[in-house]
Amino acid sequence: DQQVKQNSPSLSVQEGRISILNCDYTNSMFDYFLWYKKYPAEGPTFLISISSIKDKNEDGRFTVFLNKSAKHLSLHIVPSQPGDSAVYFCAASKTSYDKVIFGPGTSLSVIP
Amino acid sequence: DVKVTQSSRYLVKRTGEKVFLECVQDMDHENMFWYRQDPGLGLRLIYFSYDVKMKEKGDIPEGYSVSREKKERFSLILESASTNQTSMYLCATTSSTEAFFGQGTRLTVV
Repeated sequence: DQQVKQNSPSLSVQEGRISILNCDYTNSMFDYFLWYKKYPAEGPTFLISISSIKDKNEDGRFTVFLNKSAKHLSLHIVPSQPGDSAVYFCAASKTSYDKVIFGPGTSLSVIP
Repeated sequence: DVKVTQSSRYLVKRTGEKVFLECVQDMDHENMFWYRQDPGLGLRLIYFSYDVKMKEKGDIPEGYSVSREKKERFSLILESASTNQTSMYLCATTSSTEAFFGQGTRLTVV
């Protein structure tokens, strides 16, 4: 039973447009959420995080929105660039030190 | 910079062999994790450890064991490798804000 879901396995976006990656979770005990980016043959790298006391966190072109009542978060990338093409994993944990549970990932392709 | 080093990038092993995947971190973190990544399934937690000599089963521990004799080293052991253990294996360690991953080991069991 997947506790973290990313229902879109893939997404294609034109360069310069907004990419929106969605994530849903089932465990209401999750309190800390992260997004990771992964290129082929490399380990995932941290992108951005948000704790449940906030509903938005922004870092440059990346913004994460959290809707705790809907158990939903999303990652917005504006503007999208070809170098953003990668697999994006949504992840959650009960505390920032606890084990991290990952979603299945969404493969983003940004078309020049 | 946190460094998480996995001993091999690519491994090919035969069915039934005992396989050791080694992971070393240099940031004195207490938490270490082993995940496997498979298409469509994302990263699934195999085992984790919060301290030396301590281990906890993750979501898919069957067919695996681990060893944490020293704080900086967390080893994943496949007692008798099977073809369904062909996968990308990722070691991670966590600070208070994020997880840091090794570069991954692509294991093929033939």
